[in-house]
Amino acid sequence: GAVVSQHPSWVICKSGTSVKIECRSLDFQATTMFWYRQFPKQSLMLMATSNEGSKATYEQGVEKDKFLINHASLTLSTLTVTSAHPEDSSFYICSAGGAYNEQFFGPGTRLTVL
Amino acid sequence: KQEVTQIPAALSVPEGENLVLNCSFTDSAIYNLQWFRQDPGKGLTSLLLIQSSQREQTSGRLNASLDKSSGRSTLYIAASQPGDSATYLCGQKVTFGTGTKLQVIP
Repeated sequence: GAVVSQHPSWVICKSGTSVKIECRSLDFQATTMFWYRQFPKQSLMLMATSNEGSKATYEQGVEKDKFLINHASLTLSTLTVTSAHPEDSSFYICSAGGAYNEQFFGPGTRLTVL
Repeated sequence: KQEVTQIPAALSVPEGENLVLNCSFTDSAIYNLQWFRQDPGKGLTSLLLIQSSQREQTSGRLNASLDKSSGRSTLYIAASQPGDSATYLCGQKVTFGTGTKLQVIP
């Protein structure tokens, strides 16, 4: 099956710093990737759709200047949490679309902002 | 806007039992539906994808069905094993259920 990786798997940072999370499709090309946020015991919340070669599409209520998305190639999308604050602490998961819109998820990144 | 509901929220069964997890969605114009499992602190692992033109998919001990007219999908797990313990989510792209947390007791 298709494999999606995320890096780092966890990160702890100080308030006010920026954190970059990478999402890679390892064995297939993905023109579209998705970024989600998951709170404890809750489902996934779609943050934005990342499109290769164009601007990301953000869901309502998600600050695009806060969560910068760059889809640099067909195998890499990055999410940068700028000026992170404790309320940004969460589990961030990406997915890449395969054939028939099947989605393959990365293992997630646990962000803790102190 | 599509809404996805999963019932029950949690389920505990003895090893070897067959079980059914339920997933309901409000918009029947669903393109496809996927079932995933999520282990604690991990990402989602795709189990089965049912395309809108299909009614069911099978993989090993898993069988998922899709009834668009009633807005329902079920995931059937046969002969459950302790290794099946995880949270199971259904959904697609934008909307996912909150999951059913399954515990299989040895």
